[in-house]
Amino acid sequence: GAVVSQHPSWVICKSGTSVKIECRSLDFQATTMFWYRQFPKQSLMLMATSNEGSKATYEQGVEKDKFLINHASLTLSTLTVTSAHPEDSSFYICSARDPVLRVGDTQYFGPGTRLTVL
Amino acid sequence: AQSVTQLGSHVSVSEGALVLLRCNYSSSVPPYLFWYVQYPNQGLQLLLKYTSAATLVKGINGFEAEFKKSETSFHLTKPSAHMSDAAEYFCAVSAPNSGNTPLVFGKGTRLSVIA
Repeated sequence: GAVVSQHPSWVICKSGTSVKIECRSLDFQATTMFWYRQFPKQSLMLMATSNEGSKATYEQGVEKDKFLINHASLTLSTLTVTSAHPEDSSFYICSARDPVLRVGDTQYFGPGTRLTVL
Repeated sequence: AQSVTQLGSHVSVSEGALVLLRCNYSSSVPPYLFWYVQYPNQGLQLLLKYTSAATLVKGINGFEAEFKKSETSFHLTKPSAHMSDAAEYFCAVSAPNSGNTPLVFGKGTRLSVIA
């Protein structure tokens, strides 16, 4: 199946700093990627839909100035957590669909990034 | 609008016993349905999916699920649980050819396997 990677896999930062998380589709071009946040023992919460070459679409309650999304190419979307605070500590997961392969609209998920803000 | 309900946030079975994880969906159009598994500190791995072909779908690791339209269900089963099956399982739904529309996930069911 299609492969999606994320980098870094985990990051620890001080409060007030910004952290960038990369999501890459390795063997297909993804015009759309999705960013999720997952708290311990909970389900995935969709944060935003990242569209190549245009602005991301944020879900209600997600601060777009806090979570900056850039989808500059067909294989890369980045999520930047600006001025991170301890409450931003979470597991961030991206996913993408292969628009050519389709395969029943399957979403392929990255391995996730564990963010810990001290 | 679509939604998924997973009955039971935690299921515990003995090794070798039947695994049954329940998922009911709501959809205004014929849905696509998915089961994903998540191991600790990892992303989601697709177990199987239903895309309007055979109603009994076989997936990886011996799992299978049956789409029952009359019951709006897509329960996940495995005849004999293995210790390595212990993980979080998510049921998800989408509309066919939904393009940029993300999956809608259930809240997840944690499966524990007791030796």
